[in-house]
Amino acid sequence: EPEVTQTPSHQVTQMGQEVILRCVPISNHLYFYWYRQILGQKVEFLVSFYNNEISEKSEIFDDQFSVERPDGSNFTLKIRSTKLEDSAMYFCASTGGGETQYFGPGTRLLVL
Amino acid sequence: AQSVSQHNHHVILSEAASLELGCNYSYGGTVNLFWYVQYPGQHLQLLLKYFSGDPLVKGIKGFEAEFIKSKFSFNLRKPSVQWSDTAEYFCAVYLNRDDKIIFGKGTRLHILP
Repeated sequence: EPEVTQTPSHQVTQMGQEVILRCVPISNHLYFYWYRQILGQKVEFLVSFYNNEISEKSEIFDDQFSVERPDGSNFTLKIRSTKLEDSAMYFCASTGGGETQYFGPGTRLLVL
Repeated sequence: AQSVSQHNHHVILSEAASLELGCNYSYGGTVNLFWYVQYPGQHLQLLLKYFSGDPLVKGIKGFEAEFIKSKFSFNLRKPSVQWSDTAEYFCAVYLNRDDKIIFGKGTRLHILP
């Protein structure tokens, strides 16, 4: 069964550093999403992406965040200058156009 | 503002007990409703979903949920839980107009063997 994959599974970085989280959505899916889950809190929507542009973003997704689909398979989330409060689990999701989003295993980001 | 409320943050049950996890949402438009499960150390997995039709939906592993439109509720049920059901359960609402999912805070379920 096809799955969404994410790399790395864990990343530790210093405050102020840039990080890039990578996702490979299910191959025939067209809509892509990033969510995050701060430890002990709920899963929060960050951004949705379709047809090579952002279709929706939350107030969390400020200028420090960006997304890109650099090739036909990867979907990346970049945090330009990480802050302590960016420490969270980041989930990528994709859908083929229906409303069921399939989630990746997540990347646990720790900002020191 | 749109929101999803899960009434119980932690639930502890013995095996074979019946389960009901409450979920209410606040959104006036068309919604699609989901329950996701997150087993320890694993990612979110779809348990069941409601788009339209029969408001009683059946999912994997013996779970079911009932959509009651008048109460804006989508409660999850299982008649007899197993130790392997220990996980965190998230109710979620997909907002068609905004193309995003809003999650509840989750309910951590512990099943005692």
